[in-house]
Amino acid sequence: NAGVTQTPKFRVLKTGQSMTLLCAQDMNHEYMYWYRQDPGMGLRLIHYSVGEGTTAKGEVPDGYNVSRLKKQNFLLGLESAAPSQTSVYFCASSLPTGHSNQPQHFGDGTRLSIL
Amino acid sequence: LAKTTQPISMDSYEGQEVNITCSHNNIATNDYITWYQQFPSQGPRFIIQGYKTKVTNEVASLFIPADRKSSTLSLPRVSLSDTAVYYCLVGDREAGKSTFGDGTTLTVKP
Repeated sequence: NAGVTQTPKFRVLKTGQSMTLLCAQDMNHEYMYWYRQDPGMGLRLIHYSVGEGTTAKGEVPDGYNVSRLKKQNFLLGLESAAPSQTSVYFCASSLPTGHSNQPQHFGDGTRLSIL
Repeated sequence: LAKTTQPISMDSYEGQEVNITCSHNNIATNDYITWYQQFPSQGPRFIIQGYKTKVTNEVASLFIPADRKSSTLSLPRVSLSDTAVYYCLVGDREAGKSTFGDGTTLTVKP
């Protein structure tokens, strides 16, 4: 049982290049999230999904796109990378929120540097 | 959306009890309070969650007063391995409707 797996773990890009970060979870969770974390700061929500085929914007969505074609996968795309997007990206998943909150389960992050 | 306020940092020594308080003055009636722990180079990990009074698990206790405008995470007898950043979240009922603040950096010294 791997939980939440993110690939790649590290990546260096040049300004203007594009790339896709992959998040996979094996817990059959409905909800998935993408966050970014800049040095010394908390996590900021980029996009999230409450189910297969659905996505929504979070706190800092500009410059990113996402897709949830399969329940277990959530992809984060950078169409034209910018130095301001240098950060650590975390993916998380959870059961649906409802009568009580459901904890989010996080991957170990993707460290992305854009030169 | 409830805003949370935590101390930026705290120091402690091995074997001591550590209490980290989070203020959330505009917590909504249906909001839960959730705490996460994050080690360097890792994603956050769920510690404990509560709605009111006291919750205890094998790792920590969470104390919530009757007005629910604050909460206190209590870590008994900390060790060096408890050095981490601790985040308090309020309002996690809807996906995307809660935010992580900057957290409290706890440093445990020998």
